[in-house]
Amino acid sequence: GAGVSQSPSNKVTEKGKDVELRCDPISGHTALYWYRQSLGQGLEFLIYFQGNSAPDKSGLPSDRFSAERTGGSVSTLTIQRTQQEDSAVYLCASSLVGLAGNEQYFGPGTRLTVT
Amino acid sequence: SQQGEEDPQALSIQEGENATMNCSYKTSINNLQWYRQNSGRGLVHLILIRSNEREKHSGRLRVTLDTSKKSSSLLITASRAADTASYFCATIGSSNTGKLIFGQGTTLQVKP
Repeated sequence: GAGVSQSPSNKVTEKGKDVELRCDPISGHTALYWYRQSLGQGLEFLIYFQGNSAPDKSGLPSDRFSAERTGGSVSTLTIQRTQQEDSAVYLCASSLVGLAGNEQYFGPGTRLTVT
Repeated sequence: SQQGEEDPQALSIQEGENATMNCSYKTSINNLQWYRQNSGRGLVHLILIRSNEREKHSGRLRVTLDTSKKSSSLLITASRAADTASYFCATIGSSNTGKLIFGQGTTLQVKP
Protein backbone atom coordinates (compact mmCIF):
# COMPACT_ATOMS: atom_id res chain seq x y z
CA GLY A 1 0.00 0.00 0.00
CA ALA A 2 0.95 3.65 -0.26
CA GLY A 3 3.25 5.07 2.36
CA VAL A 4 3.39 8.56 3.79
CA SER A 5 3.80 11.13 1.05
CA GLN A 6 4.96 14.72 1.32
CA SER A 7 4.93 17.61 -1.08
CA PRO A 8 6.78 19.41 -2.38
CA SER A 9 9.97 17.37 -2.13
CA ASN A 10 12.03 20.54 -2.38
CA LYS A 11 11.09 24.14 -1.79
CA VAL A 12 13.24 27.22 -2.21
CA THR A 13 11.77 30.44 -0.93
CA GLU A 14 12.88 33.96 -0.22
CA LYS A 15 13.22 35.20 3.32
CA GLY A 16 9.98 36.73 4.51
CA LYS A 17 7.68 34.64 2.31
CA ASP A 18 5.14 32.13 3.65
CA VAL A 19 5.35 28.43 2.78
CA GLU A 20 2.98 25.49 3.09
CA LEU A 21 4.19 21.92 3.38
CA ARG A 22 1.82 19.03 2.89
CA CYS A 23 1.67 15.55 4.37
CA ASP A 24 -0.55 12.66 3.30
CA PRO A 25 -0.42 9.97 5.98
CA ILE A 26 -1.08 6.29 5.52
CA SER A 27 -4.81 5.69 5.17
CA GLY A 28 -6.37 4.78 8.49
CA HIS A 29 -3.56 6.18 10.63
CA THR A 30 -5.07 8.46 13.24
CA ALA A 31 -1.81 9.87 14.59
CA LEU A 32 0.34 12.26 12.60
CA TYR A 33 3.64 13.87 13.58
CA TRP A 34 5.80 16.62 12.15
CA TYR A 35 9.54 16.66 12.77
CA ARG A 36 12.33 18.91 11.53
CA GLN A 37 15.89 17.92 10.74
CA SER A 38 18.60 20.53 10.47
CA LEU A 39 22.38 20.45 10.67
CA GLY A 40 22.58 22.41 13.86
CA GLN A 41 19.64 20.94 15.77
CA GLY A 42 19.36 17.35 14.55
CA LEU A 43 15.91 15.75 14.49
CA GLU A 44 13.31 17.69 16.47
CA PHE A 45 9.68 17.00 17.21
CA LEU A 46 7.34 19.81 16.16
CA ILE A 47 3.70 18.81 16.60
CA TYR A 48 1.46 15.78 17.09
CA PHE A 49 -2.08 15.28 15.80
CA GLN A 50 -4.57 12.73 17.01
CA GLY A 51 -7.38 12.92 14.51
CA ASN A 52 -7.86 16.60 13.73
CA SER A 53 -6.78 17.91 17.10
CA ALA A 54 -3.25 18.73 18.17
CA PRO A 55 -2.78 17.80 21.82
CA ASP A 56 0.96 18.43 21.68
CA LYS A 57 2.32 21.51 19.92
CA SER A 58 5.26 21.85 22.26
CA GLY A 59 7.91 21.56 19.55
CA LEU A 60 6.78 24.45 17.34
CA PRO A 61 9.72 26.88 17.53
CA SER A 62 7.78 30.12 17.21
CA ASP A 63 4.35 31.55 16.47
CA ARG A 64 5.36 31.76 12.82
CA PHE A 65 4.79 28.01 12.68
CA SER A 66 1.32 26.50 12.56
CA ALA A 67 -0.22 23.27 11.40
CA GLU A 68 -3.64 21.89 10.76
CA ARG A 69 -5.14 18.57 9.88
CA THR A 70 -8.46 18.13 8.15
CA GLY A 71 -10.70 15.10 7.81
CA GLY A 72 -8.34 13.14 10.01
CA SER A 73 -6.05 12.80 7.04
CA VAL A 74 -3.99 15.42 5.21
CA SER A 75 -1.95 17.85 7.27
CA THR A 76 -0.42 21.18 6.29
CA LEU A 77 2.49 22.81 8.09
CA THR A 78 2.63 26.54 7.45
CA ILE A 79 5.64 28.74 8.12
CA GLN A 80 4.98 32.46 7.93
CA ARG A 81 7.62 35.10 7.23
CA THR A 82 10.30 32.48 6.70
CA GLN A 83 13.77 33.05 8.10
CA GLN A 84 17.06 31.47 7.04
CA GLU A 85 17.16 29.41 10.22
CA ASP A 86 13.96 27.70 9.04
CA SER A 87 15.99 25.93 6.35
CA ALA A 88 15.76 22.23 7.12
CA VAL A 89 14.18 18.97 6.04
CA TYR A 90 10.63 18.72 7.36
CA LEU A 91 9.55 15.15 7.99
CA CYS A 92 6.05 13.85 8.53
CA ALA A 93 5.20 10.53 10.14
CA SER A 94 2.00 8.66 10.86
CA SER A 95 1.03 5.76 13.07
CA LEU A 96 -2.13 3.79 13.73
CA VAL A 97 -2.72 5.55 17.02
CA GLY A 98 -0.64 7.98 19.02
CA LEU A 99 0.57 5.59 21.63
CA ALA A 100 4.06 4.84 22.82
CA GLY A 101 4.30 1.36 21.37
CA ASN A 102 3.24 2.20 17.85
CA GLU A 103 5.71 2.26 14.99
CA GLN A 104 5.87 5.53 13.09
CA TYR A 105 6.12 5.52 9.32
CA PHE A 106 8.02 8.45 7.87
CA GLY A 107 7.58 10.26 4.59
CA PRO A 108 10.53 11.27 2.38
CA GLY A 109 10.51 14.82 3.72
CA THR A 110 10.40 18.30 2.24
CA ARG A 111 13.74 20.08 1.97
CA LEU A 112 13.13 23.76 2.62
CA THR A 113 15.77 26.31 1.67
CA VAL A 114 15.24 29.93 2.66
CA THR A 115 17.45 32.32 0.72
CA SER B 1 15.78 19.47 22.29
CA GLN B 2 17.74 16.29 21.84
CA GLN B 3 17.33 13.44 24.29
CA GLY B 4 20.95 12.45 24.44
CA GLU B 5 24.14 11.48 22.79
CA GLU B 6 25.05 8.87 20.26
CA ASP B 7 28.48 7.44 20.02
CA PRO B 8 30.41 7.29 17.82
CA GLN B 9 29.28 10.13 15.56
CA ALA B 10 30.83 8.34 12.60
CA LEU B 11 31.94 4.76 12.05
CA SER B 12 33.71 3.21 9.07
CA ILE B 13 34.15 -0.56 8.78
CA GLN B 14 34.76 -3.26 6.20
CA GLU B 15 31.99 -5.44 4.85
CA GLY B 16 31.55 -8.49 7.06
CA GLU B 17 32.60 -6.75 10.26
CA ASN B 18 30.23 -5.94 13.09
CA ALA B 19 29.13 -2.38 13.84
CA THR B 20 28.20 -1.18 17.31
CA MET B 21 26.50 2.12 18.02
CA ASN B 22 25.66 3.49 21.44
CA CYS B 23 22.96 5.84 22.60
CA SER B 24 22.46 7.56 25.93
CA TYR B 25 19.34 9.37 27.08
CA LYS B 26 18.38 11.64 29.93
CA THR B 27 14.83 11.02 31.12
CA SER B 28 12.74 7.96 31.99
CA ILE B 29 11.35 6.19 28.96
CA ASN B 30 8.51 3.95 27.88
CA ASN B 31 10.54 2.46 25.06
CA LEU B 32 13.53 3.12 22.84
CA GLN B 33 13.55 2.72 19.08
CA TRP B 34 16.24 2.65 16.42
CA TYR B 35 15.76 4.16 12.98
CA ARG B 36 17.84 4.19 9.83
CA GLN B 37 18.08 7.08 7.40
CA ASN B 38 19.51 6.94 3.90
CA SER B 39 20.66 10.05 2.10
CA GLY B 40 19.24 12.48 4.64
CA ARG B 41 15.60 11.78 3.86
CA GLY B 42 12.92 9.46 5.26
CA LEU B 43 13.54 7.34 8.33
CA VAL B 44 12.90 3.62 8.49
CA HIS B 45 11.96 1.95 11.76
CA LEU B 46 14.34 -0.89 12.65
CA ILE B 47 13.51 -2.16 16.11
CA LEU B 48 11.76 -1.19 19.35
CA ILE B 49 12.79 -2.26 22.84
CA ARG B 50 10.53 -1.63 25.81
CA SER B 51 11.77 -0.29 29.11
CA ASN B 52 11.26 -3.67 30.80
CA GLU B 53 13.30 -5.52 28.18
CA ARG B 54 17.07 -5.88 28.24
CA GLU B 55 17.84 -7.33 24.82
CA LYS B 56 16.08 -7.82 21.53
CA HIS B 57 17.04 -9.37 18.20
CA SER B 58 15.79 -8.85 14.69
CA GLY B 59 17.70 -10.53 11.88
CA ARG B 60 21.26 -9.16 11.98
CA LEU B 61 20.29 -6.52 14.54
CA ARG B 62 20.76 -6.84 18.27
CA VAL B 63 19.65 -4.10 20.64
CA THR B 64 20.38 -3.88 24.33
CA LEU B 65 18.91 -1.52 26.89
CA ASP B 66 20.28 -0.61 30.31
CA THR B 67 17.77 1.62 32.05
CA SER B 68 20.00 2.02 35.11
CA LYS B 69 22.66 3.63 32.90
CA LYS B 70 20.10 5.20 30.57
CA SER B 71 21.85 3.73 27.57
CA SER B 72 21.24 1.45 24.62
CA SER B 73 23.38 -0.15 21.95
CA LEU B 74 22.67 -1.33 18.44
CA LEU B 75 24.81 -4.09 17.00
CA ILE B 76 24.71 -4.89 13.29
CA THR B 77 26.42 -8.20 12.60
CA ALA B 78 28.07 -9.23 9.35
CA SER B 79 27.63 -5.76 7.89
CA ARG B 80 26.97 -5.17 4.20
CA ALA B 81 27.63 -2.19 1.97
CA ALA B 82 23.86 -1.66 1.88
CA ASP B 83 23.93 -0.97 5.64
CA THR B 84 25.67 2.33 4.92
CA ALA B 85 23.33 4.95 6.41
CA SER B 86 22.76 7.12 9.45
CA TYR B 87 21.32 5.42 12.51
CA PHE B 88 19.28 7.21 15.15
CA CYS B 89 18.00 6.15 18.50
CA ALA B 90 14.73 7.68 19.64
CA THR B 91 12.97 7.51 22.95
CA ILE B 92 9.37 7.79 23.95
CA GLY B 93 8.67 9.09 27.42
CA SER B 94 5.77 8.68 29.74
CA SER B 95 3.44 10.96 27.78
CA ASN B 96 0.79 9.11 25.86
CA THR B 97 1.43 10.83 22.54
CA GLY B 98 4.13 8.64 21.05
CA LYS B 99 6.30 11.59 20.10
CA LEU B 100 9.89 10.58 19.45
CA ILE B 101 12.89 12.33 20.95
CA PHE B 102 15.93 11.60 18.78
CA GLY B 103 19.62 11.28 19.46
CA GLN B 104 22.21 12.95 17.26
CA GLY B 105 22.79 9.87 15.15
CA THR B 106 25.73 7.74 14.01
CA THR B 107 26.85 7.77 10.40
CA LEU B 108 27.92 4.29 9.36
CA GLN B 109 29.98 3.59 6.28
CA VAL B 110 30.49 -0.02 5.26
CA LYS B 111 33.22 -0.43 2.68
CA PRO B 112 32.89 -3.26 0.17
